Amino acid sequence: DAKTTQPNSMESNEEEPVHLPCNHSTISGTDYIHWYRQLPSQGPEYVIHGLTSNVNNRMASLAIAEDRKSSTLILHRATLRDAAVYYCILRAYVLKAAGNKLTFGGGTRVLVKP
Amino acid sequence: DADVTQTPRNRITKTGKRIMLECSQTKGHDRMYWYRQDPGLGLRLIYYSFDVKDINKGEISDGYSVSRQAQAKFSLSLESAIPNQTALYFCATSGAGEANTQYFGPGTRLTVL
Repeated sequence: DAKTTQPNSMESNEEEPVHLPCNHSTISGTDYIHWYRQLPSQGPEYVIHGLTSNVNNRMASLAIAEDRKSSTLILHRATLRDAAVYYCILRAYVLKAAGNKLTFGGGTRVLVKP
Repeated sequence: DADVTQTPRNRITKTGKRIMLECSQTKGHDRMYWYRQDPGLGLRLIYYSFDVKDINKGEISDGYSVSRQAQAKFSLSLESAIPNQTALYFCATSGAGEANTQYFGPGTRLTVL
């Protein structure tokens, strides 16, 4: 599986944007970029995913570099509830089911200060 | 009601005991997964199942076994628990398709003394 590299931690002030970088220089053409987050004492939850184009949803935006070797998750206005560990994950999408696993790395711990 | 439930939520056991962790889902998904998480680390895949007749080993399956009793139920067993299996265990489910979004249960905290 292609690997991702994320900073161990980041701090942000409440109501300010947070930009979480992820490097994935060995990404292949069939890899989707997924982001999950894990709030304290909870299981991970899906945030967003993309392939080549930038994506927006109610939780966040995903900006993907043109060469796809890096991406950035953007939380537009951080709240205290956004304090979590954010995981950037590459997932190969193939018709055979075995390809559709998620491999979690260490993630980025986001601290939001009031 | 939660879409993915796990029982028990907490368990303390002794070395050598057999333990079963259970997972149920109401999302109608075919795919189910078991992960473990150790303090300060990400999740590691133990086993996964893409339908009732399909069971696959993940990256750390040694010392574990699973049973897919029905589409909605996926159990993880530790045949003879050892202390380094102390961890937080998560069950997840997903559908098929591009997103393959996984939905996680609340976790089971297992302590092996």
